[in-house]
Amino acid sequence: SAVISQKPSRDICQRGTSLTIQCQVDSQVTMMFWYRQQPGQSLTLIATANQGSEATYESGFVIDKFPISRPNLTFSTLTVSNMSPEDSSIYLCSVGVGGNSPLHFGNGTRLTVT
Amino acid sequence: RKEVEQDPGPFNVPEGATVAFNCTYSNSASQSFFWYRQDCRKEPKLLMSVYSSGNEDGRFTAQLNRASQYISLLIRDSKLSDSATYLCVVNMGGNSGGSNYKLTFGKGTLLTVNP
Repeated sequence: SAVISQKPSRDICQRGTSLTIQCQVDSQVTMMFWYRQQPGQSLTLIATANQGSEATYESGFVIDKFPISRPNLTFSTLTVSNMSPEDSSIYLCSVGVGGNSPLHFGNGTRLTVT
Repeated sequence: RKEVEQDPGPFNVPEGATVAFNCTYSNSASQSFFWYRQDCRKEPKLLMSVYSSGNEDGRFTAQLNRASQYISLLIRDSKLSDSATYLCVVNMGGNSGGSNYKLTFGKGTLLTVNP
């Protein structure tokens, strides 16, 4: 499966600031997604990162808060904007290659907002 | 009904035990099904896909019952290294590559295998 590099692996940020998380894949992939996993919870899909166009956001997530870029088939970024302590979570990049294939995940970014 | 619902757990079993996890899903049009494993403070990793005919991978057996919208995972001869959270995952949309591919995760079931 594809090798997915996500960075930073962790960060501690002050409220009101923004953090951009990068996801790099070692091969071209059809689909890239961003998930969030809050403490003690399962994964929640934030958005689908669409190559060359605006991301598709799930209910409860908006572009102003979580802008996403995907300039090509191997790279995407997620920005967590104007952070508050409620944004403390693990953010995960995932990729899929088509059909009914499963997704594979990067190692996640553990974000703490103080 | 929750989109993907799993046994709440936790499960504590001795080494060598057989343990079964159950999962139900709400969307009868769901296309594909998976079990993932997540170790503490790590990302989820694919354990196995679940096929309509049922499938086995070593000590792990997955089954799907579309009529009942039910998925199961059976672990035989459990090992200490099987201790993890097991996530039931369902593609609630269509095929990936389309606009409605969407993996929905259950809350997970924590398994602890004790010596």
